[in-house]
Amino acid sequence: AQKVTQAQTEISVVEKEDVTLDCVYETRDTTYYLFWYKQPPSGELVFLIRRNSFDEQNEISGRYSWNFQKSTSSFNFTITASQVVDSAVYFCALSDMEYGNKLVFGAGTILRVKS
Amino acid sequence: EAQVTQNPRYLITVTGKKLTVTCSQNMNHEYMSWYRQDPGLGLRQIYYSMNVEVTDKGDVPEGYKVSRKEKRNFPLILESPSPNQTSLYFCASSSGTGVLYEQYFGPGTRLTVT
Repeated sequence: AQKVTQAQTEISVVEKEDVTLDCVYETRDTTYYLFWYKQPPSGELVFLIRRNSFDEQNEISGRYSWNFQKSTSSFNFTITASQVVDSAVYFCALSDMEYGNKLVFGAGTILRVKS
Repeated sequence: EAQVTQNPRYLITVTGKKLTVTCSQNMNHEYMSWYRQDPGLGLRQIYYSMNVEVTDKGDVPEGYKVSRKEKRNFPLILESPSPNQTSLYFCASSSGTGVLYEQYFGPGTRLTVT
């Protein structure tokens, strides 16, 4: 069965601190995709990254970076030098061969960045 | 502009009054689905459709209906809404069926049932 766990319900940091959001996933498939979405206070879902199970290279995009480790079934997201605009709910999600297009989401992590 | 649109964006209604939330995509996508988002639960799939006239239940289908008469539209119907259906709803679409296809999400519909 698929499952995505985001154990951190809420994180508060001060601006310019680095912060890591954890994501642990479960799937029986060897082919799967992992995602991160950002949901700002306005409510829409903003796509951040999609990573397939065969690509374990870490990814960096500006202040954002992702660490994918199949050995621990984790896909963690780090924001470097956080800013107030990073305040949002962040979701990790999984799709795999068994369920195709369906995304299974974690519960989300609320990130509050204080100035 | 390629997009998924939902209407209305905000809705407050009363228990038992039938309502429809519309979803439309202009990308000729085959696959469409509905999710609901609740605090502490993330998003969960309600129904999905792999093509016109092909629909199936997701993880939380109770209390909802859908139809797919045209490729571009996938309305979500609440025949008799109840307060436990108060939630944030998202429609999504993909160009094909399967794990390889990227999903595009609509802006969300915030529904309150009193």
